Amino acid sequence: GNSVTQMEGPVTLSEEAFLTINCTYTATGYPSLFWYVQYPGEGLQLLLKATKADDKGSNKGFEATYRKETTSFHLEKGSVQVSDSAVYFCALSEEDMRFGAGTRLTVKP
Amino acid sequence: GAVVSQHPSWVICKSGTSVKIECRSLDFQATTMFWYRQFPKQSLMLMATSNEGSKATYEQGVEKDKFLINHASLTLSTLTVTSAHPEDSSFYICSAPPGLAQYNEQFFGPGTRLTVL
Repeated sequence: GNSVTQMEGPVTLSEEAFLTINCTYTATGYPSLFWYVQYPGEGLQLLLKATKADDKGSNKGFEATYRKETTSFHLEKGSVQVSDSAVYFCALSEEDMRFGAGTRLTVKP
Repeated sequence: GAVVSQHPSWVICKSGTSVKIECRSLDFQATTMFWYRQFPKQSLMLMATSNEGSKATYEQGVEKDKFLINHASLTLSTLTVTSAHPEDSSFYICSAPPGLAQYNEQFFGPGTRLTVL
C-alpha cells in the first residue's frame, strides 16, 4: 500500500540556517504530495503541495519539488526563523491520505 | 478557504463512559470525511473513512464497535468512542476534502483532545 517515510527528528537549528527535511514515498499510482505543519497547541495546516511530477510547491519561504524518479518530496527553506519551530508532516494523497511520522523542528535564536 | 470544525475541542471523561465528537464542514459539502488519531509526538493514524449515507470504512486494527462513526448529513460526521478507557486518550482529528477534488487536498479540523480518567 501507499506509505510515506520521513526523516526523523528532532531537528534543532540556529536562526538563518538552511533546512532540509527528507521525505520519500511509495505509491501505486500518481498521488498528490503535501507538507503540513503543526504549531504547538494547534491543528494541522497545509504548508504546500504538488500534484504532479516536477511540480514545485512553495509557501512562506518553504519549497518542495515532486520528484517521481526518486519518489521524493524533500522540504527546504533557505533561512529558518524561530517562528518556524513546529512539527512538519509529509503526506501523500491518492485514495486517502497517508502521513509520515512527523519531524519536530526547533529553531534557536 | 474551506473550514472544518470539531466539537468539543477537549473532553475529559470517566472510564466506561461514551464520548461523541462532531466534525462539521462549515462552508462546503463533504460526502467523505476522514478520522485520524494522533498520539503524543507521533504522526496521524487514519482510523476510518466516513461516507455520507453508508457505513464507514475502518482501517485494519481499528475496532468498529468501539469507534462508531455516523455520517448523517453532507456537513456532519460524528465519532463516538464507546466505553472509553485510558488507552483511548488521544488527539482525534477529522478532515474533509472540498468539492470534486476529492482526494487532492483536505481541510483539517482543529482536533479534539480526549482524556479518559
